[in-house]
Amino acid sequence: QVQLQESGPGLVTPSETLSLTCTVSGGSITSYYWSWIRQAPGKGLQWIGYIYHSGSTNYNPSLKSRVTISVDTSKNQFSLKVTSVTAADTAVYYCARQNGNTFDIWGQGTMVTVSS
Amino acid sequence: QSALTQPPSVSAAPGQKVTISCSGSSPNIGNNDVSWYQQFPGTAPKLLIFDNNKRPSGIPDRFSGTKSGTSATLGITGLQTGDEADYYCGTWDSSLYDWVFGGGTKLTVL
Repeated sequence: QVQLQESGPGLVTPSETLSLTCTVSGGSITSYYWSWIRQAPGKGLQWIGYIYHSGSTNYNPSLKSRVTISVDTSKNQFSLKVTSVTAADTAVYYCARQNGNTFDIWGQGTMVTVSS
Repeated sequence: QSALTQPPSVSAAPGQKVTISCSGSSPNIGNNDVSWYQQFPGTAPKLLIFDNNKRPSGIPDRFSGTKSGTSATLGITGLQTGDEADYYCGTWDSSLYDWVFGGGTKLTVL
């Protein structure tokens, strides 16, 4: 079965760039849309954006100026970059498979703290 | 402030039924399918209901979903202590051009 695994630094310095990668196993990334979703401590879910294997993307309007999502089909991975981070970007970051109007498979999540 | 409105908390006794509401508007729930997610502390959300009322394989029929107009409802019957979790609704918003979630509802099984 398809599984997703996030990886990347757990601590990022303010004003720097947050970079995460999601590895897809048990299936090909060349189908479906692939999303990043985050959850600040004690808060709800916030969609960040998605990418298709062709490279087409769509981002949350409130984050669009700072977010880039890319895909590497040869590695079955997709990645997230958030620039100019602040403490408000501290959250658990999840990658998820988007199947129609649904997120049907989620990674376990990775905590990212923005702090000096 | 979330585009979708859920009650912060609901509670009921074991064996009883509970419903969780999700209120939106025309650009989101009114024109797009709703999904529901269950999240236990420290774990990733899990898909419970998709396309308003469909259950993925492995989800018991104690869980159900409905949608009417600009609102959706998650129903859970035969409550178990293991159902204590946070529940989120979500859908696409065609006006915001953004995927939106409700603020989440904490279910307590007394």
